Amino acid sequence: QKEVEQDPGPLSVPEGAIVSLNCTYSNSAFQYFMWYRQYSRKGPELLMYTYSSGNKEDGRFTAQVDKSSKYISLFIRDSQPSDSATYLCAMSFSGYALNFGKGTSLLVTP
Amino acid sequence: DGGITQSPKYLFRKEGQNVTLSCEQNLNHDAMYWYRQDPGQGLRLIYYSQIVNDFQKGDIAEGYSVSREKKESFPLTVTSAQKNPTAFYLCASSIGLAGSSYNEQFFGPGTRLTVL
Repeated sequence: QKEVEQDPGPLSVPEGAIVSLNCTYSNSAFQYFMWYRQYSRKGPELLMYTYSSGNKEDGRFTAQVDKSSKYISLFIRDSQPSDSATYLCAMSFSGYALNFGKGTSLLVTP
Repeated sequence: DGGITQSPKYLFRKEGQNVTLSCEQNLNHDAMYWYRQDPGQGLRLIYYSQIVNDFQKGDIAEGYSVSREKKESFPLTVTSAQKNPTAFYLCASSIGLAGSSYNEQFFGPGTRLTVL
């Protein structure tokens, strides 16, 4: 079993929709949780970072961590075509070496 | 402009040849990383370095080698021993040893290596 599981999609939604992206994990020692966005043929960029459980909001993006269920989510409100990208979840127990999911490909259609 | 540069953007190699990928950062970060990304596989850690003249193997180090002679530079050599080297290679850096805090990793633009 991989330590981090993420549905690769692709996920296609109309502009303005709420998008929900999810990852599950098996290592209960993970305490740092990140979401990266990666445009085609580019390096990933950090979107959201959460330490331990809870919610974090930044503009149209909300990250949720449920450590009891070993489940993390990223919500995108009022999705835009510019949000079309691959979204990678990543997690770590040390804040250092990251364990990545496979990434979910998102397409927001006008 | 501060950031991470990787060169070249595209690299072609004949089977059996070694090739070195460049990674340079001017962020004054102590820690640097190399990841490999294959379609549908996410990022996998090859090597990382926490400080100059020191580095550790990641999950898939076989067939790769690195050096860290300068803080700014962390080149990756893909050797002929790497069975399936065609992939997208990403370099990253972060401030330093995390301890109890998180160090954001900043990524370079990547090098796409194709073995012919």
